[in-house]
Amino acid sequence: QVQLQESGPGLVKPSQTLSLTCTVSGGSISSGTYYWSWIRQPAGKGLEWIGRIYTTGSTNYNPSLKSRVTISIDTSKNQFSLKLSSVTAADTAVYYCAREDVRAASWYFDLWGRGTLVTVSS
Amino acid sequence: DIQMTQSPSSLSASVGDRVTITCQASQDISNYLNWYQQKPGKAPKLLIYDASNLETGVPSRFSGSGSETDFTFTISSLQPEDIATYYCQQYDNFALTFGGGTKVEIK
Repeated sequence: QVQLQESGPGLVKPSQTLSLTCTVSGGSISSGTYYWSWIRQPAGKGLEWIGRIYTTGSTNYNPSLKSRVTISIDTSKNQFSLKLSSVTAADTAVYYCAREDVRAASWYFDLWGRGTLVTVSS
Repeated sequence: DIQMTQSPSSLSASVGDRVTITCQASQDISNYLNWYQQKPGKAPKLLIYDASNLETGVPSRFSGSGSETDFTFTISSLQPEDIATYYCQQYDNFALTFGGGTKVEIK
């Protein structure tokens, strides 16, 4: 079955750029029926949607993070990636990649990675 | 942005109790509202989509209702395995937002 796996550094210095990759296995990221999202969760807090990308490369971002976020897709590697610039301690969180099913009129996150903890600290 | 106000932020109930969580949207989102369950250390899991549709394989004690700005999530008979945090999520526009979450505990 399809699985998502986040990867990337677990520690990032303040002011630097956080970079994560989500690898899709067991299925094609090029399917035209899914958006691919990044969502984060600080320890003990709620979920925050960061942004998403479609197979065409079209993106939508959380307005509160838009100036610092870039999401890209590499269909040849079956991966999509997140870059978050100028990070601070407030960006410390578990970062999830997730698949949003948009095949029908109902859109929802039907598949999630296990999440990866990224700590921003010097 | 569409803000999602979820309440209560936490609750404690006994096994077998009926549990109700509400989610209020800052503007009309029709029925574009999903509910997720998150257990500690795990990724969220979809329970309800489009406000009232039960995801395949989810026990029927879970249900959802509502439209426009006011939504309700109900567990008809709380079970020990339902201990988790529950989140609503709207997808009315291209800036998705989640509610703040409701932590459900056993009394």
